Amino acid sequence: QSVLTQPSSVSGAPGQRVTISCTGSSSNIGAGYDVHWYQHLPGTAPKLLIYGNSNRPSGVPDRFSGSKSGTSASLAITGLQAEDEADYYCQSYDSTLSGSGYVFGTGTKVTVL
Amino acid sequence: QITLKESGPTLVKPTQTLTLTCTFSGFSLSTSGVGVGWIRQPPGKALEWLALIYWDDHQHYSPSLKTRLTITKDTSKNQVVLTMTNMDPVDTGTYYCARRAYSDYFGYWGQGTLVTVSS
Repeated sequence: QSVLTQPSSVSGAPGQRVTISCTGSSSNIGAGYDVHWYQHLPGTAPKLLIYGNSNRPSGVPDRFSGSKSGTSASLAITGLQAEDEADYYCQSYDSTLSGSGYVFGTGTKVTVL
Repeated sequence: QITLKESGPTLVKPTQTLTLTCTFSGFSLSTSGVGVGWIRQPPGKALEWLALIYWDDHQHYSPSLKTRLTITKDTSKNQVVLTMTNMDPVDTGTYYCARRAYSDYFGYWGQGTLVTVSS
């Protein structure tokens, strides 16, 4: 049902860099809509990590960075830490003849080895 | 400090109507650009946006669920209510409310409320 595709899982050792891709289409990311990223720990409220493709809210470490190009976007985590183990979701806006609305990615589980 | 909290039944029967309330503090839903939305997550699955109501009372619904959803606000009570009709077991999941401010992302979320649909 998600129109934004993410890898189901990525993993890395502490201190390493991992990236999560978010692939959309011409009706969402490719149409110029911004991409936002959330970190979600089970049983807790999702937390905004990146907004407007590459902006970090105050309090989010600069280890997290976002980028967007064409119909895709990416979230990078550098200097991976144990506390980064969580689910990550991208989000954008989608508009087609059938309707429009907010869309989330399929989600990626990050495992710290 | 901005907070949101969801409340409602934990168990509903198939075909029943679900009513969820989001009670928030730290902001006003009469402020231009602000909105409150609902997002759900079935067990083991991804987040899914359901509906959003804006400061000017404009309502926006997921195209796939719009026939079943109604979202309203009570600005004086700082509450947003979502109703979903004809509930089915596939609607089981955690339902979140979240604040949208000035752009198309959700900056603050509630803790979520688990709704199980079962007879």
